[in-house]
Amino acid sequence: DIQMTQSPSAMSASVGDRVTITCRASQGISNHLDWFQQKPGRVPQRLIYAASTLQSGVPSRFSGSGSGTEFTLTISSLQPEDFATYYCLHHSRYPLTFGGGTKVEIK
Amino acid sequence: EVQLVESGGALVQPGGSLRLSCAASGFIFSDHFMDWVRQAPGMGLEWVGRSKNKGYSYATEYGASVKGRFSISRDDSGNSVYLEMNSLKTDDTAVYYCTRARDLSGYHYAMDVWGQGTTVTVSS
Repeated sequence: DIQMTQSPSAMSASVGDRVTITCRASQGISNHLDWFQQKPGRVPQRLIYAASTLQSGVPSRFSGSGSGTEFTLTISSLQPEDFATYYCLHHSRYPLTFGGGTKVEIK
Repeated sequence: EVQLVESGGALVQPGGSLRLSCAASGFIFSDHFMDWVRQAPGMGLEWVGRSKNKGYSYATEYGASVKGRFSISRDDSGNSVYLEMNSLKTDDTAVYYCTRARDLSGYHYAMDVWGQGTTVTVSS
């Protein structure tokens, strides 16, 4: 099975900060990786698919990059509504696996 | 409007069984794969399993923690997918979400729409 290692597991940041979250796959997964945001008590929402394609309606301050085993989600200027938990998901082969999550909190 | 609505969550005793349903609307259900994802209290997301579409002979895939205990089925005529859960354990306590995926030109586009979830509690 492919393991997804997400880092950091938690972080504190201020409004306006540039935030970078990393996911590392235990095997190459090409670009079969998505990013999700989940706010407390809410349903997860897809932000990025195919590693770097922005989901329709998602603000352009979110971006994704990477291929193979190393992937990055970047928030260029953190906004108050961005404080949430972020997950990566690989869907290269079965079983699908989520990363452990990154909780972004207010500094 | 594209919508997924789960139902069937309940309190069940360890060793018991439960069947969850997910009703889909607003899109061509039969074209899509359907996934179940769960989230235990205070924990992260875990993929449970997938029902593939007719083009893949309605094959199913499961995560290791539920394989042999859970079963996914679908009814394309009724735009619904089901999760049959047997031999339930306390570790199966979670919110269960239904979500969709699509196979286009060999690439699987996953989880762009989610239901609101249904809560399963396994406890004596």
